[in-house]
Amino acid sequence: DQQVKQNSPSLSVQEGRISILNCDYTNSMFDYFLWYKKYPAEGPTFLISISSIKDKNEDGRFTVFLNKSAKHLSLHIVPSQPGDSAVYFCAASRLLQGAQKLVFGQGTRLTINP
Amino acid sequence: NAGVMQNPRHLVRRRGQEARLRCSPMKGHSHVYWYRQLPEEGLKFMVYLQKENIIDESGMPKERFSAEFPKEGPSILRIQQVVRGDSAAYFCASSPSGTETQYFGPGTRLLVL
Repeated sequence: DQQVKQNSPSLSVQEGRISILNCDYTNSMFDYFLWYKKYPAEGPTFLISISSIKDKNEDGRFTVFLNKSAKHLSLHIVPSQPGDSAVYFCAASRLLQGAQKLVFGQGTRLTINP
Repeated sequence: NAGVMQNPRHLVRRRGQEARLRCSPMKGHSHVYWYRQLPEEGLKFMVYLQKENIIDESGMPKERFSAEFPKEGPSILRIQQVVRGDSAAYFCASSPSGTETQYFGPGTRLLVL
C-alpha cells in the first residue's frame, strides 16, 4: 500500500535549467508535506515543506507546489546546479497523537549535467 | 550545534546475533524517530519515542525488534537474532516537538551475513 508515490525513478537535467520533481499521494488526511535530499551514505537533509493550507512555498532556488484536489505536489529547482545531483524524497504526514510520522516516496535520482 | 549522531555507521552481524543501534538527537530535541530503508526503496517509519516513552511503534516488526529512549543517554534500536532480511540502512531523526521538522542522522548500515 504505497500512499506516497514518486513515479520517476530518475531525472536528468542540464545545468542552469529547471528541475521538476513530482510526487503523488493517496491519503487525503495528509496535512503536511516535505522534500528531503539525500546523498549516498548520508542521511536525508530537509529541504522545504508545505502545509495543506497553502498551495506554494518558496525558499531560494526551491519551490514546492501543492495541488490538493489532484493529491499532487512538485518540487521546482531553478536554476539547477551540479551540487543538486542527489536522490530526492517527498514525504507526507498527518498530525496524529501529536506526531509527524512521515510516509516517504521511493525517491527520484536527479542528475544535473554540466 | 552538532546534528543527529548515529553509531556505529556500519555494523556487520552474523545470523542469530544481536544488533544495537544508537542515536543521539540534536541538542534540545526530545523526540526521536527511527526509520528503515531497504535497498532501492524509500524510508519506512518504525517507531517514535520521547524520553522514557514509546509513543508510536506501529511500524516495528512484532518480534525481535525493540526501541528505547532512556532519561539519560542515546536512543537504542535493538534487533535480536538478526536475519538476512534485516540488512538495511537504519536512520534516526529528531525534532524539538512532535509537530516540527525532523532532522536525520547519517544512518547505520546493517549487514547480516
